Amino acid sequence: EPEVTQTPSHQVTQMGQEVILRCVPISNHLYFYWYRQILGQKVEFLVSFYNNEISEKSEIFDDQFSVERPDGSNFTLKIRSTKLEDSAMYFCASSGGIGYGYTFGSGTRLTVV
Amino acid sequence: KQEVTQIPAALSVPEGENLVLNCSFTDSAIYNLQWFRQDPGKGLTSLLLIQSSQREQTSGRLNASLDKSSGRSTLYIAASQPGDSATYLCAVRPGGIQGAQKLVFGQGTRLTINP
Repeated sequence: EPEVTQTPSHQVTQMGQEVILRCVPISNHLYFYWYRQILGQKVEFLVSFYNNEISEKSEIFDDQFSVERPDGSNFTLKIRSTKLEDSAMYFCASSGGIGYGYTFGSGTRLTVV
Repeated sequence: KQEVTQIPAALSVPEGENLVLNCSFTDSAIYNLQWFRQDPGKGLTSLLLIQSSQREQTSGRLNASLDKSSGRSTLYIAASQPGDSATYLCAVRPGGIQGAQKLVFGQGTRLTINP
């Protein structure tokens, strides 16, 4: 069964550093997403990406965040200057369209120290 | 603004029992609803997807129902097994142009099946 692949599985970074989280969505999917889950809290939407541009973003997704699809297969989330409160599990997901379900990756656990 | 609530927050039952997990949402205008399973420290595994026009979906021992007008969904697990122990998440895709892109999640029900 097709999978969404995320790397790395765990990343530790110092406060103020930039991090890039990487994802390979399912190849024939059209919509790509990033979500995050702070420990013990709900899974929260960050951003959706369609047709090579951001289609929707939440208020969490401020200027320190950016997304990119640098080639035909990868989808990245960049956090420019990490804060302690950015520590969370970050999930990438993809979908074939509005009527289709989501497929999530296994997540990247980001720890900011 | 769509809100999703799951009750109970945690549930512990003996192996072999049938059980029901509940999900409610505040706005009945949805495209679909999806149930996921999350193991500790892991990703989300899709279990069932119900479109807004459907009443239920079944996969093996799992059955999910949807009552859009009352803003409720249930996940029924038959003949529970210790391997079913996990957190179960309900998520809705809100209707309308602005809400169509994202999922809104409940906080999950942590299920423990005791051997």
